[in-house]
Amino acid sequence: GDSVTQMEGPVTLSEEAFLTINCTYTATGYPSLFWYVQYPGEGLQLLLKATKADDKGSNKGFEATYRKETTSFHLEKGSVQVSDSAVYFCALIRRKIIFGSGTRLSIRP
Amino acid sequence: NAGVTQTPKFQVLKTGQSMTLQCAQDMNHEYMSWYRQDPGMGLRLIHYSVGAGITDQGEVPNGYNVSRSTTEDFPLRLLSAAPSQTSVYFCASRLSGQGDSNQPQHFGDGTRLSIL
Repeated sequence: GDSVTQMEGPVTLSEEAFLTINCTYTATGYPSLFWYVQYPGEGLQLLLKATKADDKGSNKGFEATYRKETTSFHLEKGSVQVSDSAVYFCALIRRKIIFGSGTRLSIRP
Repeated sequence: NAGVTQTPKFQVLKTGQSMTLQCAQDMNHEYMSWYRQDPGMGLRLIHYSVGAGITDQGEVPNGYNVSRSTTEDFPLRLLSAAPSQTSVYFCASRLSGQGDSNQPQHFGDGTRLSIL
């Protein structure tokens, strides 16, 4: 069945460091792919999405490219801030949405 | 526009008690769903609904009931609470549940439930 695998956390970086959070998926066809972010004490918020192969989603300095050849949707940011500390979820959507297990990101000032 | 509203935000129950977690959305979304979030396990789908009068089971439906009598509301019922149901519960909605969809889900802020 469909599944999403994320790199395990926690990930701890210094402010202004480069961020990559890996995400790979298993699915038939070409599902839409999403990254959600969860700040402490809050629900999940959509960060970015891509609906077809080679699409690049971007928002708030984060980017992710839908790579069908590697079945990946890695999240990147060139220079992280303390305010980016949160849990990040990769997801694919069919009739149901399937989430990865989440990656906790902590940014040191 | 309130989005997805969950009540209560926090609840403590004793084993065996029953409770209903409320979820309402004001976006006229057809698709609504309930997830539980546990450490190291991400979000797991409990039940979902593709429209009023239609519900279906997700990954972890045991111990939970749902109904969808209106488009706006999708309550989750625990008939006899167990400590294994201690978790954070999220309700979510999106515009349509038919077929593949690239529509994002909108999440409520969650209900933190502890079963003693």
